[in-house]
Amino acid sequence: SAVISQKPSRDICQRGTSLTIQCQVDSQVTMMFWYRQQPGQSLTLIATANQGSEATYESGFVIDKFPISRPNLTFSTLTVSNMSPEDSSIYLCSVSGQPNTEAFFGQGTRLTVV
Amino acid sequence: GENVEQHPSTLSVQEGDSAVIKCTYSDSASNYFPWYKQELGKGPQLIIDIRSNVGEKKDQRIAVTLNKTAKHFSLHITETQPEDSAVYFCAASKRGGTGFQKLVFGTGTRLLVSP
Repeated sequence: SAVISQKPSRDICQRGTSLTIQCQVDSQVTMMFWYRQQPGQSLTLIATANQGSEATYESGFVIDKFPISRPNLTFSTLTVSNMSPEDSSIYLCSVSGQPNTEAFFGQGTRLTVV
Repeated sequence: GENVEQHPSTLSVQEGDSAVIKCTYSDSASNYFPWYKQELGKGPQLIIDIRSNVGEKKDQRIAVTLNKTAKHFSLHITETQPEDSAVYFCAASKRGGTGFQKLVFGTGTRLLVSP
């Protein structure tokens, strides 16, 4: 399985500011995804990060709020923009080598907005 | 779209007992069913998965069963140990071809194994 590193592991941010989360994989992967996990809840897919093109967002998530970059096959960033307390969640990066193979997760970024 | 229900939400067992977590899915086209274990402060870890062409898969103390007719699948943990305590998530997706089919997760089961 791939080794996935997320930075930062946690942060406390002021409302109205933005935070960029980085996801680095130790090998080239086909698919990279970003999930949100609200406190005590399940995982919800935010978007699929596409290399060299705009991310594909799920219903309820928009690019202006969650801009995503994926400059190559091993790295992606998720920005949480203009944060409010409702954005307090764990944000998780996930990767898969191929569309039909397993998906693995990073350790997550625990975000608290005050 | 796909909907995955998971039960129970919490499960307490004594060390050495077995634990069973059940999930149902709505989309009969789903063909891939992974299970993840999430410990406090960590990301989900894939522990076992099953594809629709088999009915059961086992890996040491962990097994997963799939009933395609009833559209449900279950995680079985035998001889539970305190380190099995975590939140477990089931998921479902449709895999095939070159297109990505997203994982839809259940609501999670908090398993507590008491010594």
